[in-house]
Amino acid sequence: AQSVTQPDIHITVSEGASLELRCNYSYGATPYLFWYVQSPGQGLQLLLKYFSGDTLVQGIKGFEAEFKRSQSSFNLRKPSVHWSDAAEYFCAVLRSNDYKLSFGAGTTVTVRA
Amino acid sequence: NAGVTQTPKFQVLKTGQSMTLQCAQDMNHNSMYWYRQDPGMGLRLIYYSASEGTTDKGEVPNGYNVSRLNKREFSLRLESAAPSQTSVYFCASSPDGSSYEQYFGPGTRLTVT
Repeated sequence: AQSVTQPDIHITVSEGASLELRCNYSYGATPYLFWYVQSPGQGLQLLLKYFSGDTLVQGIKGFEAEFKRSQSSFNLRKPSVHWSDAAEYFCAVLRSNDYKLSFGAGTTVTVRA
Repeated sequence: NAGVTQTPKFQVLKTGQSMTLQCAQDMNHNSMYWYRQDPGMGLRLIYYSASEGTTDKGEVPNGYNVSRLNKREFSLRLESAAPSQTSVYFCASSPDGSSYEQYFGPGTRLTVT
């Protein structure tokens, strides 16, 4: 079964520092991968997605992610975080059997001044 | 454009009580989804509706029923609430089942005592 693992439950980063969130997937073929962000008290918002092509994907809010097939990873990065980036981030993969999303457990990001 | 709206925002139930969570979208989307979010488990699909008039089970359908009332509205019903159904419930919609990008509502926080 296709699944997603986010190894880091919680990350604290200083404002202005870089951020990298890890995501590993389990899938036989080329997966469809997503990153969503959930701000406190809000629903989820799509940051970016990867279907095929260029392995470096640009998203909204200055985020990017890189698909690495050899490492089964789809890590999310931002060069310089802002206090408003404090949120929970979810990686997701599209399941091939029913074309539904399977979410990772999420990584909570805290931004300190 | 309100996007996806959910009511209520918060609800407390006693074990055995019933209630219906309401969801509506104004984006003319065909597909709608109900998820539950539990700490450390990400989002899990309860039910979905690929189009008006159809509904299907997701990963965790037990204890829930759904109704796709029309293209805009998709409700989730708990017939006899249990403490294990304490969770945050999210409704989402997408243009159709193959577009993969889902738009989420703000969520309903349900506590069952």
